[in-house]
Amino acid sequence: EVQLLESGGGLVQPGGSLRLSCAASGFTFSQYAMHWVRQAPGKGLQYVSGISSNGGSTHYANSVKGRFTISRDNSKTTLYLQMGSLRADDMAFYYCAREGLTYSFGADAFDIWGQGTMVTVSS
Amino acid sequence: EIVLTQSPGTLCLSPGERATLSCRASQSVPSSYLAWYQQSPGQAPRLLIYGASSRATGIPDRFSGSGSGTEFTLTISRLEPEDFAVYYCQQYGSSLTFGGGTKVEIK
Repeated sequence: EVQLLESGGGLVQPGGSLRLSCAASGFTFSQYAMHWVRQAPGKGLQYVSGISSNGGSTHYANSVKGRFTISRDNSKTTLYLQMGSLRADDMAFYYCAREGLTYSFGADAFDIWGQGTMVTVSS
Repeated sequence: EIVLTQSPGTLCLSPGERATLSCRASQSVPSSYLAWYQQSPGQAPRLLIYGASSRATGIPDRFSGSGSGTEFTLTISRLEPEDFAVYYCQQYGSSLTFGGGTKVEIK
């Protein structure tokens, strides 16, 4: 079964750091670009960041550029999001998602989503 | 950045009725790289439509997408109880952005 499982969310103080992980299974992870999308409680979806299948290309929303870093370990079939200088408006459910076409980046929709992990930013 | 505006914000309909959801882009979406997602309460989004009009795997044919350029539409021909949810459009032709969502609720 194709599956994405996020972990690493939790409570962090403003200005703090957190690393999210997304463990993939059931497909050839190294062939697909991966992305992070977030959703504040009761709000809509917001694109955060993406990374190409081999990790050579990355993309960030302006709101997180310079504070967040996306990476992947294809040998461990895991996607990461290192978040720093966290603010109250970063508080959200964070979903990882797979881009549908193999070896594409930013050229297809997201066909597989994880269940999300909650990040709470509060003192 | 391409801004996507969805309308209406909320659609109140009865089971069996037809739903028409709109997604308008602030500039033309390259290659009709426009997707629609469904999100039920407490669930992750689910891909319905990609490339403006292609149904994703396992999506019933009561869901259809149309449009190009700056105007796109998601149509649900006959609403089933499980279709009452929030729907988002997304463009992936120029960076990646989502619309604000349309909630389809039971009348």
